[in-house]
Amino acid sequence: AQSVTQLDSQVPVFEEAPVELRCNYSSSVSVYLFWYVQYPNQGLQLLLKYLSGSTLVKGINGFEAEFNKSQTSFHLRKPSVHISDTAEYFCAVRGNDYKLSFGAGTTVTVRA
Amino acid sequence: EAGVAQSPRYKIIEKRQSVAFWCNPISGHATLYWYQQILGQGPKLLIQFQNNGVVDDSQLPKDRFSAERLKGVDSTLKIQPAKLEDSAVYLCASNQGGNTIYFGEGSWLTVV
Repeated sequence: AQSVTQLDSQVPVFEEAPVELRCNYSSSVSVYLFWYVQYPNQGLQLLLKYLSGSTLVKGINGFEAEFNKSQTSFHLRKPSVHISDTAEYFCAVRGNDYKLSFGAGTTVTVRA
Repeated sequence: EAGVAQSPRYKIIEKRQSVAFWCNPISGHATLYWYQQILGQGPKLLIQFQNNGVVDDSQLPKDRFSAERLKGVDSTLKIQPAKLEDSAVYLCASNQGGNTIYFGEGSWLTVV
């Protein structure tokens, strides 16, 4: 079985500052890793995914994540955030069963 | 391409009443999921269908929750009788056997 731990429940950040959201996973098999974003009163939108290959993955809206197998981590980063990045961010892991297991989420609040 | 459609978006019911949510997945997607997202938590898988068959319903509280996907296309999730702790967002998602799972906007349930 797979599981995900998001290490930060809330991350306040000033506009144009960088942000990093931490995610650690555990799995006994090969994994596929995802970051989803949820804006207020909306569903989940895929930001990026790691399937194989390059460990640095670029996604939408300027986000990127780095897969680190030795540290079982998949941290999400953005070099400069905007007010519109205020949202809930979820890290998720999927095994060969096509089922996603989500972390508890990280609330990002961007302030001017 | 149309996304995953869900209705109703919002529902308020009294405890012990019943409620039903409907989902229409992306055309051609054989796999359909229902997730429950309680406020402040990550989504939790309730049930997974492959066409009209159940793949996994181990997390579905079967004493009060039921779900069906009769013709292998749209699906209905029912709660009867509802409890206060069922207040959550119910997310439907679909997948075509690839690596990305697509989510609908969710159905917000408040049980009072």
